[in-house]
Amino acid sequence: SQKIEQNSEALNIQEGKTATLTCNYTNYSPAYLQWYRQDPGRGPVFLLLIRENEKEKRKERLKVTFDTTLKQSLFHITASQPADSATYLCALDKGGSYIPTFGRGTSLIVHP
Amino acid sequence: NAGVTQTPKFRILKIGQSMTLQCAQDMNHNYMYWYRQDPGMGLKLIYYSVGAGITDKGEVPNGYNVSRSTTEDFPLRLELAAPSQTSVYFCASSDGQGIMNTEAFFGQGTRLTVV
Repeated sequence: SQKIEQNSEALNIQEGKTATLTCNYTNYSPAYLQWYRQDPGRGPVFLLLIRENEKEKRKERLKVTFDTTLKQSLFHITASQPADSATYLCALDKGGSYIPTFGRGTSLIVHP
Repeated sequence: NAGVTQTPKFRILKIGQSMTLQCAQDMNHNYMYWYRQDPGMGLKLIYYSVGAGITDKGEVPNGYNVSRSTTEDFPLRLELAAPSQTSVYFCASSDGQGIMNTEAFFGQGTRLTVV
């Protein structure tokens, strides 16, 4: 069956360090992968999209990698700040349908 | 632009009651979605629509119905509410025209409790 796996344990890091979150998937052949941020009591907000033929994408302090051989995406936040504390969700399209299917998300807590 | 607007924000239902969750978007998006999110879980797709007059089931459609009579509106109907439908419901929309237009815009959510 198709699965999108994100670490269910919260990631705790110190301010200024680089946070790295992982998204693994099985039985998908996604044309792209997306990352969203969700704050408590709010809807997810889109951050980045990376296509299958792109190895890496950057936006300000954010970097996403996509390895279709390993079936894995890594999401990095450099120089992390307490304001980066949130849940981060990855999403894949379902068989080229452009309909996002989400992982359960990983909570990031940045300590001052 | 208001984006995606959901109403109500909170609702308590009794078992067996029915209600409609409203969702409207003003971005002229073709694709609209309904997700539910249980504590500590990801978003599960209930129903989606790729355009006015077209709807399809997602991963967890049982107990729900939708309609899409206009591009802007995508209401979700709960018939005979059950405690298992206690959840936070999110409506979202996206352009749907090509990979670079797949960003989903979400509403603020409806927190529903069935007692």
